[in-house]
Amino acid sequence: AQSVTQLGSHVSVSEGALVLLRCNYSSSVPPYLFWYVQYPNQGLQLLLKYTSAATLVKGINGFEAEFKKSETSFHLTKPSAHMSDAAEYFCAVSEGNNAGNMLTFGGGTRLMVKP
Amino acid sequence: DADVTQTPRNRITKTGKRIMLECSQTKGHDRMYWYRQDPGLGLRLIYYSFDVKDINKGEISDGYSVSRQAQAKFSLSLESAIPNQTALYFCATSSWAGEGTGELFFGEGSRLTVL
Repeated sequence: AQSVTQLGSHVSVSEGALVLLRCNYSSSVPPYLFWYVQYPNQGLQLLLKYTSAATLVKGINGFEAEFKKSETSFHLTKPSAHMSDAAEYFCAVSEGNNAGNMLTFGGGTRLMVKP
Repeated sequence: DADVTQTPRNRITKTGKRIMLECSQTKGHDRMYWYRQDPGLGLRLIYYSFDVKDINKGEISDGYSVSRQAQAKFSLSLESAIPNQTALYFCATSSWAGEGTGELFFGEGSRLTVL
């Protein structure tokens, strides 16, 4: 069975500081991994995804995530936070055809950016 | 226009009333989903449909029903709304074809308040 844990329901950083949002997953097969972002009063949009190609995945708005199989992690990073990055971020895992391509989501992390 | 459209975007109703949330998509995807978002609980799956003749319960289907009227339309009903159904509801779609990763495409959400 697949599952996702996001450590820290709230993360606060200063503008210009490193952003690190943590995601650990559990999967019985090589997973597909996703980060979605939800800006205030909007739906979720895909930030980036890992589909078994390069382990370092680059997404929109300067975000990237690294798949580490040994650590079962897929942490999201951005070198320098911008005020516009304030949003809620969701990590998700899929076992592909093994589980009907269904996604399982973590509980979300709200990122706050201080001026 | 959005690929996944939800109506209404906001609704306030009273306990015991019947409510329908509608979703339509222009992505041509076979699969459609209804999720509920509550603070701190992430996204929880209510119902999903892999094609017009296929309806499946998710983890929190009690108190809800769905109808897949066409490939492009999937509606969620609350037969007798109660206050703890106050939440943000999302419709999503995915395609079985292609990478088969399970990537979801979301609508902008329907905020329901039950008084």
